[in-house]
Amino acid sequence: EVQLLESGGGLVQPGGSLRLSCAASGFTFSTYAMSWVRQAPGKGLEWVSTVSLSDTTTYYADSVKGRFTISRDNSKNTLYLQMSSLRAEDTAVYYCAKWIGGSSTSLDNWGQGTLVTVSS
Amino acid sequence: SYVLTQPPSVSVAPGQTARITCGGNNIGRRSVHWYQQKPGQAPVLVVYDDSDRPSGIPERFSGSNSGNTATLTVSRVEAGDEADYYCQVWDSTSDDAGVFGTGTKVTVL
Repeated sequence: EVQLLESGGGLVQPGGSLRLSCAASGFTFSTYAMSWVRQAPGKGLEWVSTVSLSDTTTYYADSVKGRFTISRDNSKNTLYLQMSSLRAEDTAVYYCAKWIGGSSTSLDNWGQGTLVTVSS
Repeated sequence: SYVLTQPPSVSVAPGQTARITCGGNNIGRRSVHWYQQKPGQAPVLVVYDDSDRPSGIPERFSGSNSGNTATLTVSRVEAGDEADYYCQVWDSTSDDAGVFGTGTKVTVL
């Protein structure tokens, strides 16, 4: 059974930094691209970032480009999101999600999310 | 950047058919995926690549995509189908980026 477990969320002041982790199990982590998706309170889903299966290629939403860094450690089956220069509008539940594989760009498994609150 | 537009809400009686649209410029040329999200839960993939269903998703969920509109159809609607639904594509025409639709709240009357 695929499991994705996010951690690292919490309360942080504007301008601060936080690193999210996503521990993966139940599948061969190194053979799937992974993404972070967030959801502000009461709002819709927003794609944040994607990393290729070998960590060589990364993609970012314009809203986080230059402030967030996605990475993965295939030896630890873990996905990361390093967030810096945080703003109030970054407040959201952050989900890690696994790509379905093959040529599809869909996300077939999601974690339960970790809440990041940016506030003074 | 690419924009996907969904109606904010759709209401349907039990046993009837719900159709949720997702509008985008030439969306028919892209692969569209659909997610169901119930309150307090993570999203669940219900249709991918326009019309394929992941294992475990009932046949009542189907999708189509043509021209400027993709559609998720939920047949024989049940109370448990009440949720938010989001469409999603990968935009590789300008910046490689994921794009979600604005979301549709489906209410079962």
